[in-house]
Amino acid sequence: SQQGEEDPQALSIQEGENATMNCSYKTSINNLQWYRQNSGRGLVHLILIRSNEREKHSGRLRVTLDTSKKSSSLLITASRAADTASYFCATDWSGGGADGLTFGKGTHLIIQP
Amino acid sequence: EAGVAQSPRYKIIEKRQSVAFWCNPISGHATLYWYQQILGQGPKLLIQFQNNGVVDDSQLPKDRFSAERLKGVDSTLKIQPAKLEDSAVYLCASSFPIRGKYPEAFFGQGTRLTVV
Repeated sequence: SQQGEEDPQALSIQEGENATMNCSYKTSINNLQWYRQNSGRGLVHLILIRSNEREKHSGRLRVTLDTSKKSSSLLITASRAADTASYFCATDWSGGGADGLTFGKGTHLIIQP
Repeated sequence: EAGVAQSPRYKIIEKRQSVAFWCNPISGHATLYWYQQILGQGPKLLIQFQNNGVVDDSQLPKDRFSAERLKGVDSTLKIQPAKLEDSAVYLCASSFPIRGKYPEAFFGQGTRLTVV
């Protein structure tokens, strides 16, 4: 079964606006990561936040993590047409011996020009 | 740096036939994963290798799926016999071997399998 649930499932905004998507998960984790997937470049790692961190920035990306609520958010500022893609959160379970990622169902983001 | 290479990119087979996918990870990445991504869903881990040993295959349907990683580099994933519900994109990924310190996974472009 899939660990995470992204919200919303789909999001359409105008170019230049900010996009926020959320992720909830079920078990204790080591890290939470966000990936982007589009038809041209496949699945690409965006940013990682560790379980002892609360916020992280990378360029136009801002990620927050609330381990008490088992939730994370991804903010993309000043969106561009090239940001159109599906975004997935992925976690690795802290109680397991392996570190394979468990992905959510994703948020499909459309940036309108 | 060369990325994760997968082949073929597309494959169409009839149900009950067999199929094999190939993956060449990034040089030096000891950990290799196979994921299955059904349309509209996120990737689901099928199997994880550390060098040529299996670390996790708990979600691999072993009655029809098999995977191997000879010599700890390239890997093949096989389905025999295929079912209609196996239609999906099969993604290979690799990562650095140090658990918890470099968990970022690098993904290949995937193989899109259609079973008719």
